[in-house]
Amino acid sequence: ETGVTQTPRHLVMGMTNKKSLKCEQHLGHNAMYWYKQSAKKPLELMFVYSLEERVENNSVPSRFSPECPNSSHLFLHLHTLQPEDSALYLCASSHALGGDNEQFFGPGTRLTVL
Amino acid sequence: KQEVTQIPAALSVPEGENLVLNCSFTDSAIYNLQWFRQDPGKGLTSLLLIQSSQREQTSGRLNASLDKSSGRSTLYIAASQPGDSATYLCAVRSGGSYIPTFGRGTSLIVHP
Repeated sequence: ETGVTQTPRHLVMGMTNKKSLKCEQHLGHNAMYWYKQSAKKPLELMFVYSLEERVENNSVPSRFSPECPNSSHLFLHLHTLQPEDSALYLCASSHALGGDNEQFFGPGTRLTVL
Repeated sequence: KQEVTQIPAALSVPEGENLVLNCSFTDSAIYNLQWFRQDPGKGLTSLLLIQSSQREQTSGRLNASLDKSSGRSTLYIAASQPGDSATYLCAVRSGGSYIPTFGRGTSLIVHP
């Protein structure tokens, strides 16, 4: 596979469940990002990792917990979510932070919290 | 704080028309500006990236221009086709920041 992949593509979970979103990039990039896209709102940056180190945590509630075990994989662990957390969660990667680096996005995970 | 506005929010046109989508930003000290396309429920596909030193970029029927001094960028789509129907997002990366600021997008429908 090429590019940025995300699994699962769709997820329905209850407020007491624990689940994880997975992102994998096959581009040899060193920076990875989690975004949240809610209806009628701009994309909201959640987390940024560079060389497996978290460099940005954009005031995200602790019920969202990211993990970057290596430069190709990024996870978003979810627990005790709220219905307002229902959204499209997008992963992106770029060669590095800054410079003229383009971001490449995955297809997203559509999350519904009941 | 950078703010990005896209006008119009929605647009419906017949096939074959030439279109202009607008993106404006409040802080002209930008590093680059990127246009994306997003199909319903899908991820973002990068269309064009313009560096701050450039005035325009072209790819096929798409042409993006940048006027930093006035805080504007336009995406021109020539001879629109139904397959162009999607939401078009503008993202601005301000100087000194590695995080882009996104607009809310323009939802485009091209009908046959």
